[in-house]
Amino acid sequence: AQTVTQSQPEMSVQEAETVTLSCTYDTSESDYYLFWYKQPPSRQMILVIRQEAYKQQNATENRFSVNFQKAAKSFSLKISDSQLGDAAMYFCATRHSGGGADGLTFGKGTHLIIQP
Amino acid sequence: GAVVSQHPSRVICKSGTSVKIECRSLDFQATTMFWYRQFPKKSLMLMATSNEGSKATYEQGVEKDKFLINHASLTLSTLTVTSAHPEDSSFYICSAKGLWYGYTFGSGTRLTVV
Repeated sequence: AQTVTQSQPEMSVQEAETVTLSCTYDTSESDYYLFWYKQPPSRQMILVIRQEAYKQQNATENRFSVNFQKAAKSFSLKISDSQLGDAAMYFCATRHSGGGADGLTFGKGTHLIIQP
Repeated sequence: GAVVSQHPSRVICKSGTSVKIECRSLDFQATTMFWYRQFPKKSLMLMATSNEGSKATYEQGVEKDKFLINHASLTLSTLTVTSAHPEDSSFYICSAKGLWYGYTFGSGTRLTVV
């Protein structure tokens, strides 16, 4: 079974500053995907960034980047130049391969607060 | 881009009745669809995986007779909560996976059983 741990229930950052959300995971698979999803108050899940485990290069999407440490099973999300619209719940997830196939296993989430 | 429509967005039903939630992929064919449940201020828990034309695969602890899933076409999956009880009240979210798209989520359904 796969597990995803987000140890920060809540984080707060000043607008325009940088914040890092942590995520660790455990999997027995050799090939897997890791994701960060954003869930604003509307509760719509929005993909922020995706990382293939076989790629050593860290994924980057504009102000969002990850620090993928495969040996340590760590997958942190860095948000640069934080904006008010970044306020949301952030979930780290890995592709699941339990009773079903390809479903995602999510962490408990980090509530990100942006201070104006 | 890939769009998944989920309907209804919220529903209130009486205890003992059944309610159906629809999940449609609007601009792509979804080879696989997933159903998740999210309790307030909690994470998403995978309930089941469905592939078009075949029976759904349920996660451990999910009652397949209570949560009926039908994936009759490559663009539509339905979740029917049968004989609903107040403890079934929750936020249900579907996700669709196509050949070329990643996981696209619907906007969710808030179910309240009274």
